[in-house]
Parts: sequence; C-alpha cells; structure tokens
Amino acid sequence: DQQVKQNSPSLSVQEGRISILNCDYTNSMFDYFLWYKKYPAEGPTFLISISSIKDKNEDGRFTVFLNKSAKHLSLHIVPSQPGDSAVYFCAALGGYGGSQGNLIFGKGTKLSVKP
Amino acid sequence: DADVTQTPRNRITKTGKRIMLECSQTKGHDRMYWYRQDPGLGLRLIYYSFDVKDINKGEISDGYSVSRQAQAKFSLSLESAIPNQTALYFCATSVRARETQYFGPGTRLLVL
Repeated sequence: DQQVKQNSPSLSVQEGRISILNCDYTNSMFDYFLWYKKYPAEGPTFLISISSIKDKNEDGRFTVFLNKSAKHLSLHIVPSQPGDSAVYFCAALGGYGGSQGNLIFGKGTKLSVKP
Repeated sequence: DADVTQTPRNRITKTGKRIMLECSQTKGHDRMYWYRQDPGLGLRLIYYSFDVKDINKGEISDGYSVSRQAQAKFSLSLESAIPNQTALYFCATSVRARETQYFGPGTRLLVL
C-alpha cells in the first residue's frame, strides 16, 4: 500500500505562471519531507525539505507547504521556468523504528513548463 | 567531479548472468543506499548500509546482494539476473539517518 502518493503523473504549466505539485501521505509517523527533482539520464537531486514542526519552507522560487491534519504537502514554483521541466518526487522520512532514515518515495509528477 | 559515481552507466546482460553494479562516493558519508526505479513506480529501496559492518535489507531485496567494501564503496550484485530486474538503479549517500540523501547518476540495466 502506497504511503506517499503523487496522484498527478503529469502537469503542464505556462512559463511565468505558478506550478503546484501535490503529495499526500498516509503514515502519521512521517516527520520530515523532501522534494527531489530528476532530469532524464541523471540522478534525483535534492530540492527542498520541510520538518513536521513547520508548515512552510521557502527557498527562492520554491516553497513547500505542509498540512499535517490533512497529511498533505505541496510544492509551489513561482515563477515557473522552462528549466524546471523535470520529474518531481515527493519523499518522506519514516519515524523512529526499523525504517529510520529510509526515504519513502512517491511515484513522481512530470512537470512541463512551456515557453 | 561528481561526489557519487556509479559504474557502469549502462549494461545489457542475459538471463542467468551474474552482474555487479558499483558505487563510489567522495562525500565522506557513512550511509549508503541502493534504489531501483521502474516506470510509474518511483524509487524503491533495495539495501542500505549505515557503515562498513552494517548492512540492511530494504523493501525489495530479493534477488540482490550487496557488499560494503569501504566507507566510500557500496556494490550491488544480481547473482542470477532475470528480465524483471530491468530497471534504473541509483546509489545514494547521506551523512546520517533522517538526513538528505544525495544520488548518483544511475545505472540503466537491461536483462534479456
């Protein structure tokens, strides 16, 4: 059963507009969340993270929002640029116990930013 | 120079063959991981290692084995490759548990 869900396989956005990528999780023990970006023929690269003690984290054009009661997080990219076109993975870190330190990934959302 | 390198980058092999994928890192991280990515399935953890003496199974370890030869090297072996092991394989490292992981460029494996 999927613990981290990215329900939109793809998203297309016009350059300069906002991109919103969504992620839902089911395990209330997750307490740290990360977004990775992946270009073709490259490994995923870390983009931004958020701890469960926060509800927002911002880094330049990228902002991640966390709604713990809804078990939902989102990544906002403003303004979107063609170079942002990539697959974005949401990932969660397990709480304490056997899975400590292991990332649980969503299936990814392919973002296309059109000029 | 890349901090996390993987060799080979591409490999074609036949069913039943033994192959090894290698990962090296210059980040000085203790923890290393092997993932596989299949289309539409995201990344799934195969094995992870907290240090040279500590190896742990991940979500999908069946059919794989690993060796942590040194802090900087972590190898993944397929003892007898099968077609459903065709996938993209990634190595990753982190300083400690519950911290950001840094990925290598991946190895594309095709098992015929």
